[in-house]
Amino acid sequence: AQSVAQPEDQVNVAEGNPLTVKCTYSVSGNPYLFWYVQYPNRGLQFLLKYITGDNLVKGSYGFEAEFNKSQTSFHLKKPSALVSDSALYFCAVRGGVGAAGNKLTFGGGTRVLVKP
Amino acid sequence: GAGVSQSPSNKVTEKGKDVELRCDPISGHTALYWYRQSLGQGLEFLIYFQGNSAPDKSGLPSDRFSAERTGGSVSTLTIQRTQQEDSAVYLCASSLGQGRSYEQYFGPGTRLTVT
Repeated sequence: AQSVAQPEDQVNVAEGNPLTVKCTYSVSGNPYLFWYVQYPNRGLQFLLKYITGDNLVKGSYGFEAEFNKSQTSFHLKKPSALVSDSALYFCAVRGGVGAAGNKLTFGGGTRVLVKP
Repeated sequence: GAGVSQSPSNKVTEKGKDVELRCDPISGHTALYWYRQSLGQGLEFLIYFQGNSAPDKSGLPSDRFSAERTGGSVSTLTIQRTQQEDSAVYLCASSLGQGRSYEQYFGPGTRLTVT
């Protein structure tokens, strides 16, 4: 079975400071990793994904994420946070074998609050 | 272009009634997924379709839940004899294919409240 852990329920950061949202995963075989963001009363928006290749992937709105195979982590980062980045962030993984590996398994979510 | 659309956006129903939730995927997307988001359980997978067939329906919580997809496009999630624990936001997503490298694009969700 695959699983995702987001150890922080909430992250507070001042505007202009670096933002990091942590994610670790467990999956058999090669992991396919995704980050999504959810604004209030909205669906999930895709930010970025890691499939293969470069461990640092860049995505929408200035976000990037670093894949670390030995630590089974995929932390989301932004060099300079904006107040508008305040939202709920979800890490997700796909992997394993067969049809069951095609679904996304999500972490519990991390609420980010960026203060002016 | 148009994204994933879902209807209704909100549904309030009495315990014991049946409800139907609809999802219109992005045009050309062959894979369609249903998830449920609730405070206690987070985001849970329910079922997915590749074309009109459902290779994985392992997330459906009980036999009161069923889903179908017709014409490789619109999907309907039906909940029979609703219970209060069915209250949640039901999210639909679609992707170009079922392969694991494809990202899923989500609709705005249907908020279901069972009274």
